[in-house]
Amino acid sequence: QSGLTQPPSVSGAPGQTVTISCSGTSSNIGAGYAVHWYQQLPGAAPKLLISDNNNRPSGIPDRFSISKSGASASLAITGLQAEDEADYYCQCHDNRLSGSRVFGGGTKVTVL
Amino acid sequence: QVRLQESGPGLLKPSETLSLTCNVSGDSISGYYWNWIRQSPGKGLEWIGNMLHGESSSYNPSLKSRVTISVDRTKNHVSLTLTSVTAADTAIYYCAGAQGKWRPLDYWGQGTLVTVSS
Repeated sequence: QSGLTQPPSVSGAPGQTVTISCSGTSSNIGAGYAVHWYQQLPGAAPKLLISDNNNRPSGIPDRFSISKSGASASLAITGLQAEDEADYYCQCHDNRLSGSRVFGGGTKVTVL
Repeated sequence: QVRLQESGPGLLKPSETLSLTCNVSGDSISGYYWNWIRQSPGKGLEWIGNMLHGESSSYNPSLKSRVTISVDRTKNHVSLTLTSVTAADTAIYYCAGAQGKWRPLDYWGQGTLVTVSS
């Protein structure tokens, strides 16, 4: 089954910048579908963090930004804070799966 | 502000049918794509399917033969049915809403844990 590939974990010290990659294929990110990112704090439900074109829901700081190139996307967290420690998921659609939503495997961000 | 609340049986036996309900409040159920997503213990997110009231539903091909999603506008809730469950269906099940088929999942419920065990 097609999916999106994320690194299992990334870490950084407070104040640093960390980047999470999301690698797709020509049937999902490479096909031009929007890529959205979700944050899941420990013990909580996921929530929308940032959507395509860097649209952030109210309350999400601009320390979070995304970029996309070809069949890959990435999420950058600048000025890392302890409260950013969470799991992060990218999500896209896939035309090999009849337009189904697909998620990356998730990346655990640890603040050192 | 849209609020979602999932409910359903927490424990099922293998081969039984899972039935969950997502109660929608804060806005009309019409006009949103309602999705079900699940998360197995310690694992990532898996999209199950979605439906827009009055239109056809879409399902994850890997689950399509066992899944039905429906929307009841009179009760303002979304339902998920999954037949012939096995231990592999043990997961937290989330209801989530999007304002378009390709739009992000703006609204999420808190999730409900379903355990399949004999």
